[in-house]
Amino acid sequence: RKEVEQDPGPFNVPEGATVAFNCTYSNSASQSFFWYRQDCRKEPKLLMSVYSSGNEDGRFTAQLNRASQYISLLIRDPKLSDSATYLCVVSSDSGYALNFGKGTSLLVTP
Amino acid sequence: NAGVMQNPRHLVRRRGQEARLRCSPMKGHSHVYWYRQLPEEGLKFMVYLQKENIIDESGMPKERFSAEFPKEGPSILRIQQVVRGDSAAYFCASSPSDRSGHEQYFGPGTRLTVT
Repeated sequence: RKEVEQDPGPFNVPEGATVAFNCTYSNSASQSFFWYRQDCRKEPKLLMSVYSSGNEDGRFTAQLNRASQYISLLIRDPKLSDSATYLCVVSSDSGYALNFGKGTSLLVTP
Repeated sequence: NAGVMQNPRHLVRRRGQEARLRCSPMKGHSHVYWYRQLPEEGLKFMVYLQKENIIDESGMPKERFSAEFPKEGPSILRIQQVVRGDSAAYFCASSPSDRSGHEQYFGPGTRLTVT
């Protein structure tokens, strides 16, 4: 079983329509959770950390369900510039090595 | 505040040659991580280093790959006798601490092509 699993998409959504991504992780001992964004042929960029209480950063809301080992990302009012691959990232047993999902591709259309 | 720097950005090597990839962490960061991204795959952890110490190399292939982070200068990922399967994007990340929860910031990567 993969450490982190995501639906690869692509998700094609019009501007302004809310979109949500999910991922599941296998290691119940993981302590840190993140969403990164990766544009084509570029480096991953940290979007936000994810906490059990849920957290919001502008149009982005992330949720963590430890019991179900499930992480979500909600994007409200997506813009064309939000088109990218969104990576679900979970820390390993060591705490410092990161396990990456393969990513969910989002294409926002006019 | 300069981010993580990697060079070269693109590297072409013929089979059997050596590849050297360099990474300078963000200012104030003393922890360096190397990841590899094969085509159509997610990033995979390779190695974690602090100055003059390899802390965890559990993700490194057993042969031909080595890494260092000397007291002075950048971290180096070295691949000897490259093969076609080594073609990938190699990303370096840095963090100010190894404490769980600290985000890692990534450099632009080195794209290695083995011909």
